[in-house]
Amino acid sequence: ELKVEQNPLFLSMQEGKNYTIYCNYSTTSDRLYWYRQDPGKSLESLFVLLSNGAVKQEGRLMASLDTKARLSTLHITAAVHDLSATYFCAVALSPNDMRFGAGTRLTVKP
Amino acid sequence: EPEVTQTPSHQVTQMGQEVILRCVPISNHLYFYWYRQILGQKVEFLVSFYNNEISEKSEIFDDQFSVERPDGSNFTLKIRSTKLEDSAMYFCASSAQTTEAFFGQGTRLTVV
Repeated sequence: ELKVEQNPLFLSMQEGKNYTIYCNYSTTSDRLYWYRQDPGKSLESLFVLLSNGAVKQEGRLMASLDTKARLSTLHITAAVHDLSATYFCAVALSPNDMRFGAGTRLTVKP
Repeated sequence: EPEVTQTPSHQVTQMGQEVILRCVPISNHLYFYWYRQILGQKVEFLVSFYNNEISEKSEIFDDQFSVERPDGSNFTLKIRSTKLEDSAMYFCASSAQTTEAFFGQGTRLTVV
């Protein structure tokens, strides 16, 4: 059974600070996704990571994938309030089967 | 910009009734999915659909659930004999062969 574990589950940080969210998964996969969810809203795609060593950056967020370690990270640089949301990683077992982690609820305080 | 659309946005039903949740995936996508999210909790995979048949399903997707693509555009999730614990947000998603899944805005199902 695939396990996708995120940590931390809750993260409160001050504006301007840096932090990393971790996503570990238990089975072989070369496809990992990061999504953002605002309260009461749908899931918005942030990054698609398709190979070992993949690194993608968008604004203050950078995601990476290490398929050998079965680990992805989402790094936040100089956080701002607008980044407050829940962030999910999702691992694809196949094109037909994508499983989510529990999510990291991020709160950025002034 | 193409998007996945879901109707209704909110459905209230009595326990034991049947509901049908509707989705229109992005038109050139091949893979369709249903997920559910109980309030504030994990996003749970229910089922995926490809080439007019179920390709994967989770342990949650038992005989109470069924999916259908009745025409070239709609993708539906039917929940028979609803239970209180079926109350959740249900998300439809679609994807192309190698892209990420794009999610609809969800249907909030409340079973009373």
